[in-house]
Amino acid sequence: AQRVTQPEKLLSVFKGAPVELKCNYSYSGSPELFWYVQYSRQRLQLLLRHISRESIKGFTADLNKGETSFHLKKPFAQEEDSAMYYCALSGLGNFNKFYFGSGTKLNVKP
Amino acid sequence: DVKVTQSSRYLVKRTGEKVFLECVQDMDHENMFWYRQDPGLGLRLIYFSYDVKMKEKGDIPEGYSVSREKKERFSLILESASTNQTSMYLCASNVNGPQHFGDGTRLSIL
Repeated sequence: AQRVTQPEKLLSVFKGAPVELKCNYSYSGSPELFWYVQYSRQRLQLLLRHISRESIKGFTADLNKGETSFHLKKPFAQEEDSAMYYCALSGLGNFNKFYFGSGTKLNVKP
Repeated sequence: DVKVTQSSRYLVKRTGEKVFLECVQDMDHENMFWYRQDPGLGLRLIYFSYDVKMKEKGDIPEGYSVSREKKERFSLILESASTNQTSMYLCASNVNGPQHFGDGTRLSIL
């Protein structure tokens, strides 16, 4: 079955510390993976997608097909990174169906 | 920039009422989606539509229906609202890539 798992509901780090938000998936075909972010009182927005291999706001994520993971990382967290983060999956080239994880709330303390 | 507009940010209705949530997108996207967002459960797909008058059930369609008479508009209908439908509702659209989300409608059923 298609599934996205984010094991941490809440992650608290201090400003300047490294952060890693975990995402594991199961999918029977070729997946495309995304990270979405939702800041307080704002809409859910795309942070990055694995196919672009970009770094957005200092965040990176690498697709590890062997471990079926797509963890989101940032070397030095900032207070403005505090938000809800969702990992999502769709079929590569098939964007009719998305599967979202349950989300991780990142709290960056001063 | 893609604009997905949901008609209300906050809505309060009574048990048993028929409730309409409206969503409009301005980018001629084929696909439109309705999700529920609940703490700890992430986003759960209610219905999606891949063309005018076409719809498919998502993971939690019970108690809901949808209407897509025009390409830009996708309506979610709660046939007889119940208190367990109190939630944040998100609309999204896409064509061949990431989904774009509206601001959400926080619906309270009393």
